[in-house]
Amino acid sequence: GENVEQHPSTLSVQEGDSAVIKCTYSDSASNYFPWYKQELGKGPQLIIDIRSNVGEKKDQRIAVTLNKTAKHFSLHITETQPEDSAVYFCAASPPAGTALIFGKGTTLSVSS
Amino acid sequence: GAVVSQHPSRVICKSGTSVKIECRSLDFQATTMFWYRQFPKQSLMLMATSNEGSKATYEQGVEKDKFLINHASLTLSTLTVTSAHPEDSSFYICSATDPGQPNQPQHFGDGTRLSIL
Repeated sequence: GENVEQHPSTLSVQEGDSAVIKCTYSDSASNYFPWYKQELGKGPQLIIDIRSNVGEKKDQRIAVTLNKTAKHFSLHITETQPEDSAVYFCAASPPAGTALIFGKGTTLSVSS
Repeated sequence: GAVVSQHPSRVICKSGTSVKIECRSLDFQATTMFWYRQFPKQSLMLMATSNEGSKATYEQGVEKDKFLINHASLTLSTLTVTSAHPEDSSFYICSATDPGQPNQPQHFGDGTRLSIL
């Protein structure tokens, strides 16, 4: 089955810096890669996603890139703000309607 | 606003109690919902896939008689933790996919914090 590795486990940046979180997946059949932000005591919130027919997607300060050949995908947050501090999870999924397989999460801390 | 509602948000009860958690899809019908469990500082682990009108599919190592899942309608799935023990204490989260959305992202509820004394 699918296995998702996520790095780093913790990331500390200064406000205004960029943050990059990287994930790899094992199942070449996976074609959907979402990123979730989870704040303490809450469920994960979808922040951006990408499908295997796209190499890059951007939404304001957040971007995701996908390298299908290498089975890598990354989350890029620019101009970080303290409110970006949270745990971020990457995930991978075979075709729509199936369960997500999550990475272990990255705790991002943005200090002002 | 929230598209998946989960209730209750917090449960504290004695060992041996059975606890029911509800997951509702708001504004859309979900033929499939998913139940995850998350221990402190860990990732979400899939427990089971809840299918409307049929039996749930459980992941390896998850006891189906311990974690009863009922998906009786297109907007509601319930997870019942039977005869709960302290080791069942965890954060339980459900998700659902809106088949009407073009890219079908999964939306998560806000979770249920279960504490067994």
